[in-house]
Amino acid sequence: SQQGEEDPQALSIQEGENATMNCSYKTSINNLQWYRQNSGRGLVHLILIRSNEREKHSGRLRVTLDTSKKSSSLLITASRAADTASYFCATDAKDSGGYQKVTFGTGTKLQVIP
Amino acid sequence: DSGVTQTPKHLITATGQRVTLRCSPRSGDLSVYWYQQSLDQGLQFLIQYYNGEERAKGNILERFSAQQFPDLHSELNLSSLELGDSALYFCASSVGGLAAYNEQFFGPGTRLTVL
Repeated sequence: SQQGEEDPQALSIQEGENATMNCSYKTSINNLQWYRQNSGRGLVHLILIRSNEREKHSGRLRVTLDTSKKSSSLLITASRAADTASYFCATDAKDSGGYQKVTFGTGTKLQVIP
Repeated sequence: DSGVTQTPKHLITATGQRVTLRCSPRSGDLSVYWYQQSLDQGLQFLIQYYNGEERAKGNILERFSAQQFPDLHSELNLSSLELGDSALYFCASSVGGLAAYNEQFFGPGTRLTVL
């Protein structure tokens, strides 16, 4: 089962608008990461936020983390057509052997209309 | 270009067959991860190797196996293939062994079609 679930499943906005997508997870985490995937291609790492951090910025990206609510949000400001992609959150969990693994959420498909 | 290479790019085979997917990590990365991405299951973590040893296991079927060789490249073997195994298979690599603390670099994927 997925540790992380993104919301919304799909989002369509005009170029220049801000896009916000959310990730909820079930068990406590050490870190949370966001990745982007252009259609049919490999994922690209965007940002990592540690469990003791509340907010992190990287260029036009802003990530927040609320461990009490077990949720994170990714904000893309001043969106561009090139931001069209699927966005995944990745959280850590333990596998059956007690080893740490990272699981990816279901993804938010973002379309930015020029 | 992430620096991670995967071969082949596309693979078409029949049910019941066995295939091997190959991955070369970025130079200096010790961890290799395998993922399966399909429309109905999303991105599923299969298995991770770190410096030649299995580090973490996900939803990997018994028909699937993997290994990491001394030169750190990895192979994913899929046997007794079923129609439902059709998917994109990604390999990723990272420097360290703890996935939650390390950025993963993804390869371009191998698209497997089972007919």
